[in-house]
Amino acid sequence: EDQVTQSPEALRLQEGESSSLNCSYTVSGLRGLFWYRQDPGKGPEFLFTLYSAGEEKEKERLKATLTKKESFLHITAPKPEDSATYLCAVRGTDSWGKLQFGAGTQVVVTP
Amino acid sequence: NAGVTQTPKFQVLKTGQSMTLQCAQDMNHEYMSWYRQDPGMGLRLIHYSVGAGITDQGEVPNGYNVSRSTTEDFPLRLLSAAPSQTSVYFCASSRGQGQANEKLFFGSGTQLSVL
Repeated sequence: EDQVTQSPEALRLQEGESSSLNCSYTVSGLRGLFWYRQDPGKGPEFLFTLYSAGEEKEKERLKATLTKKESFLHITAPKPEDSATYLCAVRGTDSWGKLQFGAGTQVVVTP
Repeated sequence: NAGVTQTPKFQVLKTGQSMTLQCAQDMNHEYMSWYRQDPGMGLRLIHYSVGAGITDQGEVPNGYNVSRSTTEDFPLRLLSAAPSQTSVYFCASSRGQGQANEKLFFGSGTQLSVL
């Protein structure tokens, strides 16, 4: 059974204070690891897909990396508008129709 | 494009009532799915469909039915609502298989309360 664990559950940052979110996963053959951003009262919004260990992707102040057991979402010099819940999900090669999500990390960036 | 449209946004039911949550997408996506989101538990897959006429169960299918008669629509039916089904429900779609096709587009959600 595919499993995803995200840490920490919550993170409070000062504006400009860089940090990283962790996503540990167990899957029988990784087909893809996905990061989403969710704002309060809205549906998740796609950020990145990573497919193989060593892969990295960037978007503005966000950078996602992938190893064989975990993924990190690095937030560099965050701004208040980066406040959101960040969700990690995996899709296995044996279960492409089923995307397994973690519980998310709630990030609050204060001015 | 409207993307993924869910209705209603809010709903209150009494235990034992039935209802249908509507989901429609205008992107010609083959894959559609329903998730529920509860505090501390993340998104859990209820049912999904890889094309019209094809549906399958996810992690938490009990108490819910789905059908996919068209590419555009994927309604979720609650047969006899229970308080444990109080949750926020999200519909999501994607183009299908293949690396460029698997990112999900989500609707804005339906907040359901069962009393």
